[in-house]
Parts: sequence; C-alpha cells; structure tokens
Amino acid sequence: AQTVTQSQPEMSVQEAETVTLSCTYDTSENNYYLFWYKQPPSRQMILVIRQEAYKQQNATENRFSVNFQKAAKSFSLKISDSQLGDTAMYFCAFMFQGAQKLVFGQGTRLTINP
Amino acid sequence: DVKVTQSSRYLVKRTGEKVFLECVQDMDHENMFWYRQDPGLGLRLIYFSYDVKMKEKGDIPEGYSVSREKKERFSLILESASTNQTSMYLCASSARQGGITEAFFGQGTRLTVV
Repeated sequence: AQTVTQSQPEMSVQEAETVTLSCTYDTSENNYYLFWYKQPPSRQMILVIRQEAYKQQNATENRFSVNFQKAAKSFSLKISDSQLGDTAMYFCAFMFQGAQKLVFGQGTRLTINP
Repeated sequence: DVKVTQSSRYLVKRTGEKVFLECVQDMDHENMFWYRQDPGLGLRLIYFSYDVKMKEKGDIPEGYSVSREKKERFSLILESASTNQTSMYLCASSARQGGITEAFFGQGTRLTVV
C-alpha cells in the first residue's frame, strides 16, 4: 500500500521568507503522480502544484516549486517570498497511474507571520 | 467556475441517529470521493465511486455507507452515528482519464456527534 509522510506538523516563518515543506512517500509503483494541496482557514482545498513521476523536471507554479527526488521518494514544496495568504494547512498527496484516488499525508500547518 | 457543494458546513447529531451527508458536483465528473479529515491523520478515504451505482471501499469504510443514484450526487450515510465519527468530512470529484487528473473538493462538513 502507498503511504505518504509529512514529518513537520507545524511550521512558522516571517513574511517574504522562503520555506520548504517536506514529504516522503513509499510505493513500489513506477508510474504515479504527486500533488500539493493547500487548505486555508476557509477549508476549501486548493491544488497548488502537481508532478508526474516520469518527468525529471521539477514543477513550478509562480512562487511555488517542488524538489522531486524519485530515487529518494521525496517531494518537497518550496514557497518563495511567502505571503500572509499562504497561511494554511498543506497536504502532500500521491496517486498511482490508473487508480484515480488520492492518498494524503498528515498535513503541515504553515503560519506566515507579518 | 467548477463547483463541489456539500449540503451543510456544520452539523450536530445525537448518538444513534442516521446521518446523511450530501455532495453535488456540476462538472460531469465520473469519480466522486468521501474523505474524513482528522488532526494528525490527514485525509483518509472512506468510499469512492467511479460511476453511477458503483462504489468501492476506501481505507476506513466501517460504520459508513454511500449512495450514488445520479452522476452528480454522492451521499455518505452514517447508519448509527457514534461519537468517534465526530470529524470533518470532505467530498471530492474528478474526471476519469488515463493521465494526471485534478480532484476538486467541497468546503467540508464538520460533524459533531453528541
């Protein structure tokens, strides 16, 4: 079975700093997808970024980027120039190809301080 | 604007009651999911459905059942609510396709069983 582990329950940084959230996963599959979702206080889950395992290039979406290390089964999220609106729970998620369902990590509560 | 709508944001029920949580999506998605979110445990899959009248158990189906009579609606049923079912419940939907697919979430129902 696939498992996803986020080892940082909480993190806190100052506005404009860069922060990295960690995620590791365990799978014997070779073809899969990885995601980072954000859940602000409104509770609305929002997709931040996604990565196909067969792509070696790390995904980037504006201030958000990932460091995907397939051999190490690591998928960290870097937020540059953090903003107050980045305050949220962040969930790492895994989906193997053809499965359609997501497996989530425990979440990291990120607070951006003014 | 894509939308997944859950019928209630907050719900308080008594132990032993039969509880219905309703979810409707307007994106013509084949797949629908029910997750439970608890602090420190992340999101755990209860049930999912990949077509009308089809359902599959997720990781924690005990104490729950589901119904999908129409493509746009997926209901979660607690046959006899218990206090350990006090939690946040999230509904999601996604399109069934071979490649990477994004899941869209509702705003969650915070259920308290007293």
